[in-house]
Order: sequence, then structure tokens, then C-alpha cells
Amino acid sequence: DQQVKQNSPSLSVQEGRISILNCDYTNSMFDYFLWYKKYPAEGPTFLISISSIKDKNEDGRFTVFLNKSAKHLSLHIVPSQPGDSAVYFCAASPSNYQLIWGAGTKLIIKP
Amino acid sequence: DAGVIQSPRHEVTEMGQEVTLRCKPISGHDYLFWYRQTMMRGLELLIYFNNNVPIDDSGMPEDRFSAKMPNASFSTLKIQPSEPRDSAVYFCASSAGSRGETQYFGPGTRLLVL
Repeated sequence: DQQVKQNSPSLSVQEGRISILNCDYTNSMFDYFLWYKKYPAEGPTFLISISSIKDKNEDGRFTVFLNKSAKHLSLHIVPSQPGDSAVYFCAASPSNYQLIWGAGTKLIIKP
Repeated sequence: DAGVIQSPRHEVTEMGQEVTLRCKPISGHDYLFWYRQTMMRGLELLIYFNNNVPIDDSGMPEDRFSAKMPNASFSTLKIQPSEPRDSAVYFCASSAGSRGETQYFGPGTRLLVL
């Protein structure tokens, strides 16, 4: 039973355009959400996070939106750059220190 | 800081052999996590420690898997005996003690069991 779902295994976006990666969760007890980015042969690296008390968090080209009523979050990257090509994982934190991970979305930025 | 260090980076072994994966967390971090990544199941949490004590090992797939953290700067994940279905990338991650603190991952150990 997947508690964090990333329904798009891959996404292809033109360089300079907006990339939107989506994530859905089922557990209303999750109150902290994170996005990680992973390049091949490397471990995931933290990108951006959001607490459930907020509905938006922005860091440079990256913005995460949280819709608690829909149990949905999204990561927007604008403008998209070739170096953004990677696998993006959504993760959610319940009341302990674990992270529950989505399956990942492979983002391909086309030049 | 050197970040989370894992060794070996690659391991090829034969079925039935013992495999030991090693991890050095970031100094000062009191949480350590072991993950496994496969194509079929994605990123799975196997076990995590707080202050060297195992807190939740419910993700450990079988008794063939064991993990220890003898001190704050070292942890091992052991598979004995190894099987071909254990082939995966194993990540170690560490974090500080704050709620929601981000986890910092090592580069992973790519294990192939023949």
C-alpha cells in the first residue's frame, strides 16, 4: 500500500519551460514534505521542503505547493535547465523521523 | 565535511556469501538510516538508528539481514547468506535530531549477487 505516490514515472520538458512534478499522499498525519533529486550513481540530495502549516515554499527556481485538502503536492521548476535532468523523489514525514518515499519521477530536459 | 561515506561502492559476490556494507554518517548527526533501492520497489527504508540504538527494523526483509551501529561514527549492514534477489543499491543516510530534518545520503553501494 503506497502512502506516497508519484504517478508519472517520467516527464519530458523543453529547456526554459516550466517543469511540474506531482505527488499524492494518503495519510493525513503527514505534516512535513520534502523533494529530493537524484543523479545516476549518486545518492539522493535534498532539494526543498514544506511544512503542512504552509501551502507554498519557494527557493530560487524551485517552488513546492501543498494542497492539504487534496493531499497533493507539486514541485515547479522554472525555467527548466539541462542540469535539472534527474530523478525526483517526493517524501513525507509522519510523526516520527522516518521518511515515506514515492517511487520517483524521471525528469528529462530537452535542449 | 566529507558527507556520508559508504564502502564499498561496488560489490560483486556469489550467492551464499556474506556481504558487509559500511557507513560513516556525518559527524554530529544522531539518526542513521539504511535504504535499499530496486527498480521494482523503489527506495525502501530497511532500518534506522537513533543515538546508535535501532529504532525500527520493520523494513528489514528477512533474518538474513542484520544491521549494527557500534558507535556514533560507524554502522554496518550485513547480509548472510546473500541471494541474487538482494542485488540492489544500498544507501546510508544520516540526519540531525530535529523533527523533519533533511536526510543526507551517501553515494550508495551497488551490490550484485550472482
